[in-house]
Amino acid sequence: DTGVSQNPRHKITKRGQNVTFRCDPISEHNRLYWYRQTLGQGPEFLTYFQNEAQLEKSRLLSDRFSAERPKGSFSTLEIQRTEQGDSAMYLCASSSLVGGGHNEQFFGPGTRLTVL
Amino acid sequence: QQQVKQSPQSLIVQKGGISIINCAYENTAFDYFPWYQQFPGKGPALLIAIRPDVSEKKEGRFTISFNKSAKQFSLHIMDSQPGDSATYFCAASKKAAGNKLTFGGGTRVLVKP
Repeated sequence: DTGVSQNPRHKITKRGQNVTFRCDPISEHNRLYWYRQTLGQGPEFLTYFQNEAQLEKSRLLSDRFSAERPKGSFSTLEIQRTEQGDSAMYLCASSSLVGGGHNEQFFGPGTRLTVL
Repeated sequence: QQQVKQSPQSLIVQKGGISIINCAYENTAFDYFPWYQQFPGKGPALLIAIRPDVSEKKEGRFTISFNKSAKQFSLHIMDSQPGDSATYFCAASKKAAGNKLTFGGGTRVLVKP
């Protein structure tokens, strides 16, 4: 399977715990994006990487959130001291820079986080 | 600040009918307008996209109409099929901002057989 994969698919945690999600993009895709989607809403941009460099972080990404893409391949998103408001679907997408234009972002299936 | 507004929130259409979803945007710097389809438990998947120098784009049963002066664009699904039942999101992005997508709120479409 050459699509974007995310693990775990589901995560249930207690308030105050730390959680980490992983995203494996399509091989050789330079750009990797994280979005958050709450029930009944459209996805909201969180952050994106070009290779290993994190180029932008949304104001939605509080200090409790951190994302990495250490070798320009997979990425991790960590949430520290989770709150009930963090409950959402966390989506990862990747795209190529070939052609220099607006290349399609391919989304993974998401990680659904429930904070009790 | 909701930069992309989408309507309706939901719609029901009979098999063979036309589904129409509308979006309006505020930021005139947007230069790419895709539509995504999302099934329950899945991530969004690109359906069709348009750039602002084109007023219409058609791919199979799906057509985007774009009105730059009104800052509006719409998706038409012709000959709607039960398999089209899904949530549809319009989005907008600009190359200068890393192509990050700003999504509308979504439209849940139900096609009745």
